[in-house]
Parts: sequence; structure tokens; C-alpha cells
Amino acid sequence: SQQGEEDPQALSIQEGENATMNCSYKTSINNLQWYRQNSGRGLVHLILIRSNEREKHSGRLRVTLDTSKKSSSLLITASRAADTASYFCATDAGNDMRFGAGTRLTVKP
Amino acid sequence: DAGVIQSPRHEVTEMGQEVTLRCKPISGHNSLFWYRQTMMRGLELLIYFNNNVPIDDSGMPEDRFSAKMPNASFSTLKIQPSEPRDSAVYFCASSWGQETQYFGPGTRLLVL
Repeated sequence: SQQGEEDPQALSIQEGENATMNCSYKTSINNLQWYRQNSGRGLVHLILIRSNEREKHSGRLRVTLDTSKKSSSLLITASRAADTASYFCATDAGNDMRFGAGTRLTVKP
Repeated sequence: DAGVIQSPRHEVTEMGQEVTLRCKPISGHNSLFWYRQTMMRGLELLIYFNNNVPIDDSGMPEDRFSAKMPNASFSTLKIQPSEPRDSAVYFCASSWGQETQYFGPGTRLLVL
């Protein structure tokens, strides 16, 4: 069963704009991770944020975590056409990791 | 490191046939995961192993599916007999503990 739910399901923006994706989950977690999947490929890990962290940066990525609201957001700044992909959040609640349904991001050149 | 290796990359078979998917995790990783991805159901965790021992197989659809991990460097996912609804992309991933998972390229399975 899925733990995280991403919102929106699909997002289309112009190159150079920022993209924000949200993830909500149901149970307490140890950490939350964001992954990216290009069409026809496996998932690639982007960033991990632990339950005691509130914000984390990696290059053009910024992740926030609000454990009181059981939600996280992924911000991609200055988007590029190459950022076009599906983005998944995954939550670690102890025994295993559960992925959401993903947000399909399209960045138009 | 070559990353997680899966074989075959593509498999086309007829209903009723046995299908075996293979995975070689990243050396040194102690956890291995099998996922199935479809448009309708998204990414589903089928089973995961820790130190070669199956920990959670609650995601395995039914008795037609079985998975083994005879040693730290090899795992198989078997479907017998296969059915058209098993058509999907099957991913294997490995990790050290519950940290970052590294995914293989996937096996695209089509059951006719």
C-alpha cells in the first residue's frame, strides 16, 4: 500500500520557472526521501530529509518537512527541460519504504 | 561500481509460462527490494530482504509469485504461471539499511 501521496499529479511549467511538488503521508516516519524517474528508467535518489530536520538543500533542490502536518515539499528552482520526469516521495516508517504515486513534471523549453 | 544489475531488460512470454527475473545488488548493500510498476497501480513494493532473509512479503500478489535470495549478491523473482495482468516493469533496488535505495534499470515484462 502507498504511504505518501504527491500533489499535484501533473505539473507543466516553462523553463526557468520554479516547480513545487508536495507530499503527504499518514504515519510517523524516520526519514522522507525524494526520487526522480525519467521515462523508461529506474528511480534515482535526489535527497533525504530526516524527521528531525525541517529543510534541506541540494543544488537547485530545496526540500521542507513538516512532521506536525505530515507533509513535505520539493522545490526545483530555475527549472530546465532536462528536469522533465516523474518525482516520487518515499517514507521510511521503520520496516520498509513506501512510495507515492508521483508527480509528473513537464518543463517546456 | 556497476550499480544494481537486472536481467533480462525485456521479456515477452505467453500466458502460463514461467518467468524468472534476476537481480544483482550493489556490493556491500544488505537490503534488497523488488518493486512492480504499472500505470494503474504505480510503484508497489513486492518483497524486501535484509541480510538475505525475507522480511516483508505482504506485497507479493499471490502464490504465483516467489522470490529468493540465496546469497548477498543475487536474487530472483519468479512468476509461475504468468498471466497477462502481470505485465509491468519490475524493479530491483538495494540499500544499506533503510537509507538511499539504488534502483536497477528494470525488467519490462509483457505476458501475452
